[in-house]
Amino acid sequence: NFMLTQPHSVSESPGKTVTISCTRSSGSIASNYVQWYQQRPGSAPTTVIYEDNQRPSGVPDRFSGSIDSSSNSASLTISGLKTEDEADYYCQSYDSSSHVFGTGTKVTVL
Amino acid sequence: EVQLVESGGGLVQPGRSLRLSCAASGFTFDDYAMHWVRQAPGKGLEWVSGISWNSGSIGYADSVKGRFTISRDNAKNSLYLQMNSLRAEDTALYYCARQWLVRYPLDYWGQGTLVTVSS
Repeated sequence: NFMLTQPHSVSESPGKTVTISCTRSSGSIASNYVQWYQQRPGSAPTTVIYEDNQRPSGVPDRFSGSIDSSSNSASLTISGLKTEDEADYYCQSYDSSSHVFGTGTKVTVL
Repeated sequence: EVQLVESGGGLVQPGRSLRLSCAASGFTFDDYAMHWVRQAPGKGLEWVSGISWNSGSIGYADSVKGRFTISRDNAKNSLYLQMNSLRAEDTALYYCARQWLVRYPLDYWGQGTLVTVSS
């Protein structure tokens, strides 16, 4: 099995841009799609990015995703930061036998 | 409207068993794989187990393998998690979630049922 490691927290001012990394410990990040979830306090997670870089309907285009094979990592970028973006964010991927969530990143909008 | 409603959580002593259920509605249940994901208080998400639409493919996290059993009843639109030999570290909010294909996200989640393992 592999692990997905994220920074514990990031913070930025409204209107700015934050990028959250998600590094896969073994196996290629490109071998299986990466999803990103947002979880606000007291609520279940919701999808903000799927299949590495696709946005579900209703998710603003301020959210974008990418993968970088050279660093074996995925990234979630939130531009034009709004107070409503303050939440925990998790990456998730899978292999032939299991699904794995990242360690989670708390985004604080200053 | 898609709904997933978990039940069966509660306070249980270490070493005892508990069975969680997830009632699904608003979609064709047997078109989807289903998963259990848990979240310990103040901690991150942990995938627990998943089952394919026809129960032909099942997976478990190493932390629960041999103790937990996932199952589903498509006729009843229900998902289950039998949890045996419970430990304090199993204390968490347990979510059920659906997934169309393995490449896709877990796109709908229930609100969770709380399991507390304590003497």
